[in-house]
Amino acid sequence: KQEVTQIPAALSVPEGENLVLNCSFTDSAIYNLQWFRQDPGKGLTSLLLIQSSQREQTSGRLNASLDKSSGRSTLYIAASQPGDSATYLCAVRTSWGKLQFGAGTQVVVTP
Amino acid sequence: GAGVSQSPSNKVTEKGKDVELRCDPISGHTALYWYRQSLGQGLEFLIYFQGNSAPDKSGLPSDRFSAERTGGSVSTLTIQRTQQEDSAVYLCASSLEPEDTQYFGPGTRLTVL
Repeated sequence: KQEVTQIPAALSVPEGENLVLNCSFTDSAIYNLQWFRQDPGKGLTSLLLIQSSQREQTSGRLNASLDKSSGRSTLYIAASQPGDSATYLCAVRTSWGKLQFGAGTQVVVTP
Repeated sequence: GAGVSQSPSNKVTEKGKDVELRCDPISGHTALYWYRQSLGQGLEFLIYFQGNSAPDKSGLPSDRFSAERTGGSVSTLTIQRTQQEDSAVYLCASSLEPEDTQYFGPGTRLTVL
């Protein structure tokens, strides 16, 4: 049974520091991995999607890596800003369409 | 362009009543998903529709839950005889194809008294 774990559960950094968020999964037979952010009381916003054949994806200040064999993905956010404060969720697709989510990392960026 | 929309945004109901939650996916998206987010369980998959294929209902927690998707577009999630443990945020998502990025709606917060 696939399990998705995100460590740490919460993280607080001063503005300008780089953020490193970790996601691990127990079954390497995944189709893809997706990173989301969730603001309080809101739905999920997709950040990056990495296909199982890819090693990384980049969008602006965001970079996500995927090491399928070791069951790990890392989301890097460069030069953090207070607007980056949110909960970040990773999810793996292990069957046609279905996503399995981690519990999330709650990030606070202090001015 | 328009994203995924859900209605109502909030629903308060009494235990034992039936509720219907609606999802309007992004136009042209063939795949539609329902998830539930609750404090104790995190975000969990409920049901998945792909085109005209039979839906994947493997995540539905009990036979009180059902969903349909009419005309390959709008979907309705129905919960019969609601229980307090059904209280959660119900999220709908859609994607162009199953392997593509899933885009989420704002959710419906259901409170069962």
